[in-house]
Amino acid sequence: AQKITQTQPGMFVQEKEAVTLDCTYDTSDPSYGLFWYKQPSSGEMIFLIYQGSYDQQNATEGRYSLNFQKARKSANLVISASQLGDSAMYFCAMREGTGGGNKLTFGTGTQLKVEL
Amino acid sequence: GAGVSQSPRYKVAKRGQDVALRCDPISGHVSLFWYQQALGQGPEFLTYFQNEAQLDKSGLPSDRFFAERPEGSVSTLKIQRTQQEDSAVYLCASSLGTMGPQHFGDGTRLSIL
Repeated sequence: AQKITQTQPGMFVQEKEAVTLDCTYDTSDPSYGLFWYKQPSSGEMIFLIYQGSYDQQNATEGRYSLNFQKARKSANLVISASQLGDSAMYFCAMREGTGGGNKLTFGTGTQLKVEL
Repeated sequence: GAGVSQSPRYKVAKRGQDVALRCDPISGHVSLFWYQQALGQGPEFLTYFQNEAQLDKSGLPSDRFFAERPEGSVSTLKIQRTQQEDSAVYLCASSLGTMGPQHFGDGTRLSIL
C-alpha cells in the first residue's frame, strides 16, 4: 500500500479563490509528522507547513492551513486567497516517528495552476 | 546565502563515468538527507546522516552509490559507473535536529547519456 496518496494529478483554481489539495496517508506508527512542500518549476522544494500526529489543533501558516482528520488519515492542504505565484507542484510527505528513521516519504504530487 | 547549497546545478556524464555531487547544508544543521527525484515523481529517500554518522542508507539503489559527510558538514554523493537510469534530480536536505522540518537545496539535475 502507498504510504502517501495524492489523488489529484492536476488542479485549477481562480485567483483569490481557496483551493484544497488532498492527501491521505497510511501508517501504523502512533507517532508521525505530516509535511507539505511546494516545488515551483525552478525545482527547489519549499517547506510550507507541518502537522504532528499528537497536535490537537490544525496547523496554520499564513494562507496555508492543514485540515488534519486523524481518524480518516487525511491531511489536506488548504490555500486561501490563491495567487498566481502559487502555481507549482505540491507534495505531501510523512515522517514516521519510530522504525522509519527520519526520512520523508513523499506522494506523487499535485500540479496546481492558478488562473486569472 | 543561508540555505542549503548544492553543486553542480546541472551535470551531464557519459554512461560508465563516475560523478560526485556536493551538498553544503545550513550551518549548524545536524541532520542531512539525500533524495532522488525522477521526472514527474516525488522525491525518494536515499540516505541520512546525523553529524558525520551515516545512520540510514537503506534507499541507496545499488553499491554504485556512496555518500559521505566526513566532518559532519558538507556531504558528497558519489555514483560510480553511471547508468542511464541514474538520470534524475538529486536533492539534498538538512534539518536542525532529528525531527524538525527538512530544508531542501535546489538540487542537481543529472543526465546520463
